[in-house]
Amino acid sequence: GQQVMQIPQYQHVQEGEDFTTYCNSSTTLSNIQWYKQRPGGHPVFLIQLVKSGEVKKQKRLTFQFGEAKKNSSLHITATQTTDVGTYFCAGQGDSWGKLQFGAGTQVVVTP
Amino acid sequence: SAVISQKPSRDICQRGTSLTIQCQVDSQVTMMFWYRQQPGQSLTLIATANQGSEATYESGFVIDKFPISRPNLTFSTLTVSNMSPEDSSIYLCSVGRDVYNEQFFGPGTRLTVL
Repeated sequence: GQQVMQIPQYQHVQEGEDFTTYCNSSTTLSNIQWYKQRPGGHPVFLIQLVKSGEVKKQKRLTFQFGEAKKNSSLHITATQTTDVGTYFCAGQGDSWGKLQFGAGTQVVVTP
Repeated sequence: SAVISQKPSRDICQRGTSLTIQCQVDSQVTMMFWYRQQPGQSLTLIATANQGSEATYESGFVIDKFPISRPNLTFSTLTVSNMSPEDSSIYLCSVGRDVYNEQFFGPGTRLTVL
């Protein structure tokens, strides 16, 4: 079936450093969404990307949607301790309406 | 965004019993979903709760095990039936304006089956 792959599974980052998490689908997506889940919390919606090649920024977070609409990335600059949590990408295909979540990237920030 | 509450927030149950989880939204929503999340794992969609009709279940989930009700546009229940330890998980409801828009999640129900 349709799958959305996400790497890396874990990311240890020194405070102030940058990191990127990647999301890939074997099929073309109609849109991709990103969620953040803090430890002990529930997923919180961050952004949705719909257009090919789209780039959106939220302060230190930059989200990209690939030209082929099969991959996406989340780049965080100058990581802070508030960035701790698991970041999930979730894709939807043109022919399948359900949101398919990636495995998530668990981010640990070292002060 | 919508404000979503779930009851109970957590429960410990004996195998063979059933638990009904409630999801209440502070405004009318078109889409309501139920997910399962094992600790440290990703989210798996159980079903889409349809108002006034039977829920739409994903592969691997059946109505006899996970009956769902949605009597109106602000409320839904998920029952986990005849529980076994493998059902221990976090169950989350989410809502959305339509199937292709962002989803807002409830706080979750942490279920432990002994």
